[in-house]
Amino acid sequence: EPEVTQTPSHQVTQMGQEVILRCVPISNHLYFYWYRQILGQKVEFLVSFYNNEISEKSEIFDDQFSVERPDGSNFTLKIRSTKLEDSAMYFCASEDRGGTDTQYFGPGTRLTVL
Amino acid sequence: QKEVEQNSGPLSVPEGAIASLNCTYSDRGSQSFFWYRQYSGKSPELIMSIYSNGDKEDGRFTAQLNKASQYVSLLIRDSQPSDSATYLCAVIYSGGGADGLTFGKGTHLIIQP
Repeated sequence: EPEVTQTPSHQVTQMGQEVILRCVPISNHLYFYWYRQILGQKVEFLVSFYNNEISEKSEIFDDQFSVERPDGSNFTLKIRSTKLEDSAMYFCASEDRGGTDTQYFGPGTRLTVL
Repeated sequence: QKEVEQNSGPLSVPEGAIASLNCTYSDRGSQSFFWYRQYSGKSPELIMSIYSNGDKEDGRFTAQLNKASQYVSLLIRDSQPSDSATYLCAVIYSGGGADGLTFGKGTHLIIQP
């Protein structure tokens, strides 16, 4: 069964450094998403991406964040200057074009900012 | 502000019994409704989706939607210890693709052997 994959599984970085989180969505899916979950809190939507552009973004997704689909398979989230409060699990999700709004999540990247 | 509310629990249910999980949402225009299961330290795993009023059954799981009351529920029949997890209710407002899910905080379910 096709799955969303994410790398790395755990990323440790120093405050102020840039990080890039990588995702490979399910191959025939067209819509891509990033979510985050701070420890003990709810899953929060960050951004959606369709047809090589951002479709929707939340208030959390400010100028320090950016997304890119650099090739036909990868989908990346870049955090330009990490802060302590960026420490969280980051989940990538993808959705096919079937119109069911059904999103499938990857295993996540745990980001720790020191 | 779109909100999804769930009782955080823990909800403790004996093995073999029915577990009933509830969720309310604030936006009357919401179109699509989902239940995800999340084990500790893992990602959300889709269990059920429901789009129209009424019941939808899939194996031991039944989702119920009442748009007039802005209420979604999940019933788990013949509960097993492996069902112990946090259950997340999620809602999409407009539908049709590229819309972010709004999640509740989740209900922590414990199935007692």
